[in-house]
Amino acid sequence: QVTLKESGPVLVKPTETLTLTCTVSGFSLSNARMGVSWIRQPPGKALEWLAHIFSNDEKSYSTSLKSRLTISKDTSKSQVVLTMTNMDPVDTATYYCARMIPDAFDIWGQGTMVTVSS
Amino acid sequence: QSALTQPASVSGSPGQSITISCTGTSSDVGGYNYVSWYQQHPGKAPKLMIYEVSNRPSGVPDRFSGSKSGNTASLTISGLQAEDEADYYCSSYTSSSTYVFGTGTKVTVL
Repeated sequence: QVTLKESGPVLVKPTETLTLTCTVSGFSLSNARMGVSWIRQPPGKALEWLAHIFSNDEKSYSTSLKSRLTISKDTSKSQVVLTMTNMDPVDTATYYCARMIPDAFDIWGQGTMVTVSS
Repeated sequence: QSALTQPASVSGSPGQSITISCTGTSSDVGGYNYVSWYQQHPGKAPKLMIYEVSNRPSGVPDRFSGSKSGNTASLTISGLQAEDEADYYCSSYTSSSTYVFGTGTKVTVL
């Protein structure tokens, strides 16, 4: 069974850096043509794609957030990590990680709610 | 990258068919057959319903179908059922090697 689970802080302060971890099971991050994306959803709003990383270490970032995002993976730990710098209250959202197959998001984690507030 | 445009809401009675549109540009929807659709119930993670414009993952009922014409993709739900009431999002690959989601559509079963 394929599962993904997000973990990270529930609350961060403005200007701080957010680090989120996605731990996957049931598939390997080295599987060809598979990857993991991070997607977020502010309360009551639409989904927003943030970044992805593929098995060959190919990475891509949202053009509007590129300067603040870094995605990486540790295949041995089955983890994908997203960092987002200079957090702002508008970044308050549920953050999801999802498996990519490779151009659709077929399995999603449960999501983790992150609030940005002083 | 601007979000793809979807109607805010669509409604129908049980048994009816409804169609949700997803309009982009030649740099995303119109340029690639990498449009996917997601169903999201309140408080839940999205679920993949359609990928590569018209393919259904295993387990998705065949009353869900997808198509594309030019810069607009569509999701049709035939034989609408109460459990289909949810938010629906489209997504597309883009010419910048990124992905973009739609604005979302709330489907109401009357």
